[in-house]
Amino acid sequence: EPEVTQTPSHQVTQMGQEVILRCVPISNHLYFYWYRQILGQKVEFLVSFYNNEISEKSEIFDDQFSVERPDGSNFTLKIRSTKLEDSAMYFCASSEAWRGGSTQYFGPGTRLTVL
Amino acid sequence: DAKTTQPPSMDCAEGRAANLPCNHSTISGNEYVYWYRQIHSQGPQYIIHGLKNNETNEMASLIITEDRKSSTLILPHATLRDTAVYYCIVRVVGGAQKLVFGQGTRLTINP
Repeated sequence: EPEVTQTPSHQVTQMGQEVILRCVPISNHLYFYWYRQILGQKVEFLVSFYNNEISEKSEIFDDQFSVERPDGSNFTLKIRSTKLEDSAMYFCASSEAWRGGSTQYFGPGTRLTVL
Repeated sequence: DAKTTQPPSMDCAEGRAANLPCNHSTISGNEYVYWYRQIHSQGPQYIIHGLKNNETNEMASLIITEDRKSSTLILPHATLRDTAVYYCIVRVVGGAQKLVFGQGTRLTINP
């Protein structure tokens, strides 16, 4: 069964450093998402992406964040200058269609620890 | 998107049916009901979704009331591996595509 994959599973970085989290969505999916979950808190939407453009972003997704689909398979989230409060699980998701009846499938997540 | 209300926690004995309720009294006619679960800190796992008819798949059944103001997720024969946080999410068709997660129901399956 196709699945969303994410690398690395755990990333440790120093405050102020740049990190890139990578995702390989399901191959025939066209819509991509990033969510995050701070320890003990709810899963929060960050950004959605379609046709090489951001479709929607949350207030969390400020200028420190960017997304890119550098090739036909990868989807990346870059945090330019990490802060302590960026420590969280980051989940990538993808879906085949845009309508409410479509389903988002999530990857296993990347645990980001900012020291 | 309509808000949902779920009990914060539930217990169920292994082998029994787990029935997880969700209230979504402000749901609109074009909004789907989605259920996901999250085991520990793993990625949310899709379970099932529906618009107005009851749905069943290999994981669960979804019962939506006729007025669509509430629904119940049924895990027919719960196992220890079904221990997780279960999220009921209402999602509009054609509008914002994000999923808005609440606190969900922490379901514990007891041996």
